Amino acid sequence: GAVVSQHPSRVICKSGTSVKIECRSLDFQATTMFWYRQFPKQSLMLMATSNEGSKATYEQGVEKDKFLINHASLTLSTLTVTSAHPEDSSFYICSVRKASGYYNEQFFGPGTRLTVL
Amino acid sequence: AQKITQTQPGMFVQEKEAVTLDCTYDTSDPSYGLFWYKQPSSGEMIFLIYQGSYDQQNATEGRYSLNFQKARKSANLVISASQLGDSAMYFCAMRELISSGSARQLTFGSGTQLTVLP
Repeated sequence: GAVVSQHPSRVICKSGTSVKIECRSLDFQATTMFWYRQFPKQSLMLMATSNEGSKATYEQGVEKDKFLINHASLTLSTLTVTSAHPEDSSFYICSVRKASGYYNEQFFGPGTRLTVL
Repeated sequence: AQKITQTQPGMFVQEKEAVTLDCTYDTSDPSYGLFWYKQPSSGEMIFLIYQGSYDQQNATEGRYSLNFQKARKSANLVISASQLGDSAMYFCAMRELISSGSARQLTFGSGTQLTVLP
């Protein structure tokens, strides 16, 4: 079964509105979750690392005030795209790493396709 | 510098034939892991296979095998007996393990779009 869930799977919004995406770890508790963004025909780019109980760590070039991350519990992280604009339209994928086992297997959510009109 | 390089933006293969997807990587860390993921049009990332830098043998998982050539820093994915359902985007990824034992983030290549022809 699924290890990571995301909600919603698809969202269309007007420019200027804020959109919240939820990521849940279903199989184990995760102190760390990752948020990726993927533009069409391109690779996954890490946006930020979400840390339970503390501030997220953002990658260079990612605006922390625009992409708000909250990791309130060991199974839930949320990404809020504030004042979304058409250039924020993308596929957002969260990921959870299992901190045990041979290679710290990383599981991905099904993704959220955001379209900003 | 690119950490992961996939030089084939698109590949075609006849059904039931084998195909090799290329991946080269760049790292100075002695400990690292190499991953292959499949991303169908639905968008989900499906883990296929893993190779650790210290693994002596090439990894295999069913129809997937990883041709690991450490000296050449390549980790090509071989899919045998291709099926129509194999048509998807394939990403090579690497995670370096720094000396303290912590793991860096997964870094992805640009991907290869594989199309299996009937």
